[in-house]
Amino acid sequence: GENVEQHPSTLSVQEGDSAVIKCTYSDSASNYFPWYKQELGKGPQLIIDIRSNVGEKKDQRIAVTLNKTAKHFSLHITETQPEDSAVYFCAAKNTNAGKSTFGDGTTLTVKP
Amino acid sequence: DGGITQSPKYLFRKEGQNVTLSCEQNLNHDAMYWYRQDPGQGLRLIYYSQIVNDFQKGDIAEGYSVSREKKESFPLTVTSAQKNPTAFYLCATSSGTLNQPQHFGDGTRLSIL
Repeated sequence: GENVEQHPSTLSVQEGDSAVIKCTYSDSASNYFPWYKQELGKGPQLIIDIRSNVGEKKDQRIAVTLNKTAKHFSLHITETQPEDSAVYFCAAKNTNAGKSTFGDGTTLTVKP
Repeated sequence: DGGITQSPKYLFRKEGQNVTLSCEQNLNHDAMYWYRQDPGQGLRLIYYSQIVNDFQKGDIAEGYSVSREKKESFPLTVTSAQKNPTAFYLCATSSGTLNQPQHFGDGTRLSIL
């Protein structure tokens, strides 16, 4: 089955700096890669996703890149703000599978 | 997510008791999922259902049971066979069409008395 590894497990940055979180996956058939943000005591919420037919997608301060050959994808947050502090999860999904596989999460802390 | 309601928010169980966690959705989504989250860890899939009256085991199904009698509802029962049930339980849905994101409820925190 699919295996997703996420790094780093914790990340601390100064407000205004950029943050990068990386994930690798094992199943070359995976073709959908969402990123979720989880705030304390809440369920994860989708922040951005990318499908395997594109290499990069951007939404304001958030971007995701995908390298299908190397089987890794990354989340980039620019101009970080304290409200970006949360746990971020990556996931990978194969169209033919009924389920997604999640990474173990990254706790991002943005210091004011 | 306002379209997914998990109840109760906090639940306490005595050892040896079965408890049922509720998950209701009004998003008209075909697929529903149950995840377990332990402190500082990721999401582990317990059960999922892609259509009414059908469900599949996830990675950690032992000690849990589910039913999917209605599209809107996917209750999870934590049985006495689950020896370490203390965790945060998350329900999610997706539209079932190709490569759509999951929508999560706000979870139920289960603790052993």
